[in-house]
Amino acid sequence: EDKVVQSPLSLVVHEGDTVTLNCSYEVTNFRSLLWYKQEKKAPTFLFMLTSSGIEKKSGRLSSILDKKELFSILNITATQTGDSAVYLCAVEVFTSGTYKYIFGTGTRLKVLA
Amino acid sequence: NAGVTQTPKFRVLKTGQSMTLLCAQDMNHEYMYWYRQDPGMGLRLIHYSVGEGTTAKGEVPDGYNVSRLKKQNFLLGLESAAPSQTSVYFCASGDKQERKPQHFGDGTRLSIL
Repeated sequence: EDKVVQSPLSLVVHEGDTVTLNCSYEVTNFRSLLWYKQEKKAPTFLFMLTSSGIEKKSGRLSSILDKKELFSILNITATQTGDSAVYLCAVEVFTSGTYKYIFGTGTRLKVLA
Repeated sequence: NAGVTQTPKFRVLKTGQSMTLLCAQDMNHEYMYWYRQDPGMGLRLIHYSVGEGTTAKGEVPDGYNVSRLKKQNFLLGLESAAPSQTSVYFCASGDKQERKPQHFGDGTRLSIL
């Protein structure tokens, strides 16, 4: 059975700290890995990773994929209170002739002022 | 710019009642998805559609039906609501090239008594 596991489940840090969120997966027919940020309502797309070792970066957020060890990390540097959210990881797989997206349960990040 | 719009935002039903959740997107996206989000469970795919007139089952399709008669609309129906269907429901859309759930609606909070 395909599985996506995120750790830690929750995290509390102070503004200015750097955090690393983890996403590991065990799936068949892996195609890509996705990161989303979910504040109060709708998840918003952050990154899509398809190749190992190539860092994707957007401002203070960056992410990298390791297809050999089957995990990805999301780094946030110089955290701000606005980074407080649930961060979701999803893996795209190709199965039964179609693409599907399996989500992890998320990491809840709280950044204190 | 509307993006993905879900109606209603909240609803309380009694066991056995039926209802339809509407998802509308104005981005001409081919792919549309219905997810449910429960505490500790992450986002789970109920049904999805790869184009007008097509639908397919996801991970947890039992008790739900869908229709995609028009490209911009994806309807999720509960024929006979059960307390286990109490959840937050999210609709998402993706374009033909990217496929991934790229834009999410704000969710519908549904309680079944």
